[in-house]
Amino acid sequence: QSVLTQPSSVSGALGQRVTISCTGSSSNIGAGFDVHWYQQLPGTAPKLLISGKTNRPSGVPDRFSGSKSGTSASLAITGLQAEDEADYYCQSYDSSLSAWVFGGGTELTVL
Amino acid sequence: EVQLVESGGGLVQSGGSLRLSCAASGFTFSTYWMHWVRQAPGKGLAWVSRINSDGSGTGYADSVKGRFTISRDNAKNTLYLQMNSLRAEDTAVYYCARAGEGVAAYSFDIWGQGTMVPVSS
Repeated sequence: QSVLTQPSSVSGALGQRVTISCTGSSSNIGAGFDVHWYQQLPGTAPKLLISGKTNRPSGVPDRFSGSKSGTSASLAITGLQAEDEADYYCQSYDSSLSAWVFGGGTELTVL
Repeated sequence: EVQLVESGGGLVQSGGSLRLSCAASGFTFSTYWMHWVRQAPGKGLAWVSRINSDGSGTGYADSVKGRFTISRDNAKNTLYLQMNSLRAEDTAVYYCARAGEGVAAYSFDIWGQGTMVPVSS
């Protein structure tokens, strides 16, 4: 059981918009710790996609955006493309556990 | 080019030991916190351990505390993970990852390609 909760899968049509939720608690997201998002393409290492609410590393398109409210966060992907098919993970820090924590991951299927 | 390259993985028997290495290049290794993150086959990501920039402070996930030891050699730009008393549930791809900077300090901004550690029971 992951400390952060994500849907196991989401899907969307080419060109559409999808969101992936990430629910935490008062000791992680709700405590003010930032939520970070990672993309893991099949057979590859994870890659930082969004750090904090809106910081995108160089090369990450602005189709990807993050938001946070209370004990939850979301990743939005607009203009879905075939190459966006991947697993997406949210991550934060938990002050009660003194540990970095991940969501269980969400598999995105582009229809 | 900023790069992390892990090595040292391989098949080990339950109860055995293994030391993983992560060679860093393309950045000033000695100024960054570093982490190990693992991923069991078909499963999600799990944080394992962290070490601060000069090696004076470490932290571990409960699942590995007392069995794994993280260390670093800043002169060699290398991060290590000594894994003892290995269990079948430690079977995973092990990634080293660099901590982010500033407001992203709690993120992992650079990842290695990973090294597989199968533990046979």
